[in-house]
Amino acid sequence: NAGVMQNPRHLVRRRGQEARLRCSPMKGHSHVYWYRQLPEEGLKFMVYLQKENIIDESGMPKERFSAEFPKEGPSILRIQQVVRGDSAAYFCASSPGNEQFFGPGTRLTVL
Amino acid sequence: KQEVTQIPAALSVPEGENLVLNCSFTDSAIYNLQWFRQDPGKGLTSLLLIQSSQREQTSGRLNASLDKSSGRSTLYIAASQPGDSATYLCAVRTQAGTALIFGKGTTLSVSS
Repeated sequence: NAGVMQNPRHLVRRRGQEARLRCSPMKGHSHVYWYRQLPEEGLKFMVYLQKENIIDESGMPKERFSAEFPKEGPSILRIQQVVRGDSAAYFCASSPGNEQFFGPGTRLTVL
Repeated sequence: KQEVTQIPAALSVPEGENLVLNCSFTDSAIYNLQWFRQDPGKGLTSLLLIQSSQREQTSGRLNASLDKSSGRSTLYIAASQPGDSATYLCAVRTQAGTALIFGKGTTLSVSS
């Protein structure tokens, strides 16, 4: 059983561009969580999804950020019109319902 | 609002020492608590998960305890090795199906 997969591992964008981060959960896991780790900060929750549904998006900025977890395919975190403050490591975790298993993260750098 | 604090922020020890990392949380009504390890530039590796009804969990040289009433958990590492050098994160879950709330971590350095 492969672990949680995230791609790309590193992403560089210029201000104003769009960033798409992908997360493939572990087989059999229907819960996906996205977290963000800013430099010198702890991990902060962004959004929690189950297949085709957003369960909790209380940690996600209201503008420019969106997330989906379609019936088929990976979960996607989308950041529109990126700004330098979006530079961070974005981690995805999947869960069968209890323990969370984390992917290696995507490190986004905004120039 | 649940807050998680980890002390110390950094710790340096010589190889072979036993050590304790501390985690405290402000609201004792938790569902479970998880300890993770994060290596520089890498993802998180789950070390131990303690359910709210449990007092401790053990895996190899690691032992984690949970005292809900006092809002504390400790991670005990026996006979530390240089390979244990990493950042250790504590995270709590307040209810089933909710996200984890993380502390900022303790960065451990074990010298040979």
